[in-house]
Amino acid sequence: EDKVVQSPLSLVVHEGDTVTLNCSYEVTNFRSLLWYKQEKKAPTFLFMLTSSGIEKKSGRLSSILDKKELFSILNITATQTGDSAIYLCAVEAWAGGTSYGKLTFGQGTILTVHP
Amino acid sequence: DVKVTQSSRYLVKRTGEKVFLECVQDMDHENMFWYRQDPGLGLRLIYFSYDVKMKEKGDIPEGYSVSREKKERFSLILESASTNQTSMYLCASSLSGLLYNEQFFGPGTRLTVL
Repeated sequence: EDKVVQSPLSLVVHEGDTVTLNCSYEVTNFRSLLWYKQEKKAPTFLFMLTSSGIEKKSGRLSSILDKKELFSILNITATQTGDSAIYLCAVEAWAGGTSYGKLTFGQGTILTVHP
Repeated sequence: DVKVTQSSRYLVKRTGEKVFLECVQDMDHENMFWYRQDPGLGLRLIYFSYDVKMKEKGDIPEGYSVSREKKERFSLILESASTNQTSMYLCASSLSGLLYNEQFFGPGTRLTVL
């Protein structure tokens, strides 16, 4: 059974701090790892990672994948109150040579940024 | 912009009622998914569909069924709602094929079963 574990489950920081969110996985036939941000509405896509060691970056957010150690991290530098959200990690696996895009999600990390 | 819409943001039903949750996407995506989200458990896949009239069970299909009569619409049905089905329900869609395609989510329906 595919499994995704995120840590910490919740985190409280002050504006300007840097945070690192962790995601480890056990999955057969790994295809990709995705990060989503969820405020009080639909999760929105942040990053898709498929190759080890290649950092993806978007503004103050960055993420990297280690396929040997089976984990990914999401870094947020100079945090702002608008970064307060649930951050979801999900892993997609190949199914019989094709993929229907079936994702297994972790529990999520609740990030709270205080002014 | 991909739009995934869900029929209701909030819904209150009584135990034993039949409940329909509707999801519509406007980007001609082949794949559609229903998840439920509970605190501490993340998103769990209930059912998904990779084509019209096709459906596959996810990780927690018990107590649910689905219908996909048209490509853009995917319905989740609770045949006889129970209190343990109180949850946030999220619909998503994605393109199929060999490209890496992320899932796009709807705003969610918060269902309360009394």
